[in-house]
Amino acid sequence: DVVMTQSPLSLPVTPGQPASISCRSSQSLVHSDGNTYLSWLHQRPGQSPRRLIYKVSNRDSGVPDRFSGSGSGTDFTLKISRVEAEDVGVYYCMQLTHWPPTFGQGTKVEIK
Amino acid sequence: EVQLVESGGGLVKPGESLRLSCAASGFPLSNTWMSWVRQAPGKGLECVGRIKSKTDGDTIDYPVPVKDRFSISRDDSKNMMYLQINSLRTEDTAVYYCTIQGMRWGQGTLVTVSP
Repeated sequence: DVVMTQSPLSLPVTPGQPASISCRSSQSLVHSDGNTYLSWLHQRPGQSPRRLIYKVSNRDSGVPDRFSGSGSGTDFTLKISRVEAEDVGVYYCMQLTHWPPTFGQGTKVEIK
Repeated sequence: EVQLVESGGGLVKPGESLRLSCAASGFPLSNTWMSWVRQAPGKGLECVGRIKSKTDGDTIDYPVPVKDRFSISRDDSKNMMYLQINSLRTEDTAVYYCTIQGMRWGQGTLVTVSP
């Protein structure tokens, strides 16, 4: 299985400041169809995950533009340009290129 | 509006079986690749199976760790998907989500396996 490794695992942030989460995969996530199926999910305490980003850099409908995704191959990054209080929770990267889909360990974002 | 609602979880003893349900609305399940993902208490996310769309052959895949005990099915007439779990183990304790390949998620149903 593809191993997804996130860092950091814990991220205290100050509201209004930027934040960045890294995700690395154990093999390339470029699919044979040319797409890279790397998503970012956000899970608030007690809630289901919500997808924020798909195919590396595409924001889902309703996701604020302070969230952005980038990367290629095996290295990916989620950036929050200015953290808000509602951004707390755990962020996961997820790959769907290879079977089975696998997830990073999660990065817990909390407000300082 | 797309909606997924899981049900069927509960407290069961090791060795027992359970069938979880996922009711979909707002779209036809038969046209969609769907997955079951679980999350043990305080832990991360783990895919436990997938069913492809009818046009892609209704193929069902399982990760190696669960393939002998987990079984996915779908009832297109009811727009429902199911996850049958046999020979439950304490390590199967988790919230089980149905998801459209990570795009949309249900609220989850908790399965607790305890003697």
